[in-house]
Amino acid sequence: GQNIDQPTEMTATEGAIVQINCTYQTSGFNGLFWYQQHAGEAPTFLSYNVLDGLEEKGRFSSFLSRSKGYSYLLLKELQMKDSASYLCAVCPGTYKYIFGTGTRLKVLA
Amino acid sequence: EAQVTQNPRYLITVTGKKLTVTCSQNMNHEYMSWYRQDPGLGLRQIYYSMNVEVTDKGDVPEGYKVSRKEKRNFPLILESPSPNQTSLYFCASRPWGALLTDTQYFGPGTRLTVL
Repeated sequence: GQNIDQPTEMTATEGAIVQINCTYQTSGFNGLFWYQQHAGEAPTFLSYNVLDGLEEKGRFSSFLSRSKGYSYLLLKELQMKDSASYLCAVCPGTYKYIFGTGTRLKVLA
Repeated sequence: EAQVTQNPRYLITVTGKKLTVTCSQNMNHEYMSWYRQDPGLGLRQIYYSMNVEVTDKGDVPEGYKVSRKEKRNFPLILESPSPNQTSLYFCASRPWGALLTDTQYFGPGTRLTVL
């Protein structure tokens, strides 16, 4: 079957760095996405990885290792507004998307 | 403004009463998709459409129908809703033929309760 695993919940302090891990097992691989979702709102795109390595976008970075079926999202200089759920999603083919259950991040003052 | 809109945003209905949730995008995107989101289960794909008159099942299509008669619209139809279809529904769109870096744009969501 197809499966994406990520921790259910994480807590970190304002100004700190947090790493959210995602492991996946899918029938194919055409890219991995990270989305941010605030409670009651729509997911918004954060990053996309298709090749191994690190992609950096301001305070957010995402890493991919295809051989290990592993990705992480790194959030630096945490702010209170970063409290949200972070969704890992894989596109195993061209049309479908498989999402993890999401990681709820709480940022404490 | 580029956007995906859904209507209604909130709906409470009863078992067996047919309903339609509309989705419309103004970005001329070929690809559109419907998801449901449930606690502990994450986002699950219901149906997707690659273009007008081309649709296919996602992972949880049972109890749902879709149609794509126009490029901008992709309604989700529940012919006979049941309580297990109580969920938060999202519509999404993205350009087709482009790289996957063209991510999906999500609508604001429709919270459906079936009694």
